[in-house]
Amino acid sequence: QVQLQESGPGLMKPSETLSLTCTVSGGSISSYYWSWIRQPPGKGLEWIGYIHNSGSTNYNPSLKSRVTMSIDTSKNHFSLKLSSVTAADTAVYFCARVGRGYVNFDYWGQGTLVTVSS
Amino acid sequence: DIQMTQSPSSLSASIGDRVTITCRASQSVSVYLNWYLQKPGKAPKLLIYAASSLQSGVPSRFSGSGSGTDFTLTISSLQPEDFATYYCQQSYSTPYSFGQGTKLEIK
Repeated sequence: QVQLQESGPGLMKPSETLSLTCTVSGGSISSYYWSWIRQPPGKGLEWIGYIHNSGSTNYNPSLKSRVTMSIDTSKNHFSLKLSSVTAADTAVYFCARVGRGYVNFDYWGQGTLVTVSS
Repeated sequence: DIQMTQSPSSLSASIGDRVTITCRASQSVSVYLNWYLQKPGKAPKLLIYAASSLQSGVPSRFSGSGSGTDFTLTISSLQPEDFATYYCQQSYSTPYSFGQGTKLEIK
């Protein structure tokens, strides 16, 4: 059974760079696409982007200028960096596996709340 | 970008009821439409992919239909564990996008 676990700081200050890692267990990170999705408190879901183990990425244009994703197959984890955060970036951040064939998010981490506050 | 609109935004129903939730895309997404269930404080869970395919382990009371711009999720007989928020999501083109959610509550 594939499991994903996010890790990173829970509290940040405006203008800092958010850095999150998603560790994958129970399966290989290779040959799949992996995504980050976020959810502001009480609101809906926003896709941030995806990365493949080849290093190929695709980011949401709304965040593209601030987002960088990376992947480390030796550690079976992938990461998200979001620069210049503001209060609007306060959200629960989920990592998820992109299922093969018809694109969907078939495995999710439990999510980690990141609060941006001065 | 493709906008996804769900209706209704909230819904009250009773155990055993048949419930239908609708999702409309701003342009055709073919059958690249997925449905998720989310309970408070938890990650979303994939229910239906490719508009009508049941994800492994999901009860058969859940079904999906539609293609192009109009889709439905139907729960044939509501169970207590089904009261949650439901989201549709298009995977036809990036940026992938979700509907705003439909909160299903107990009447």
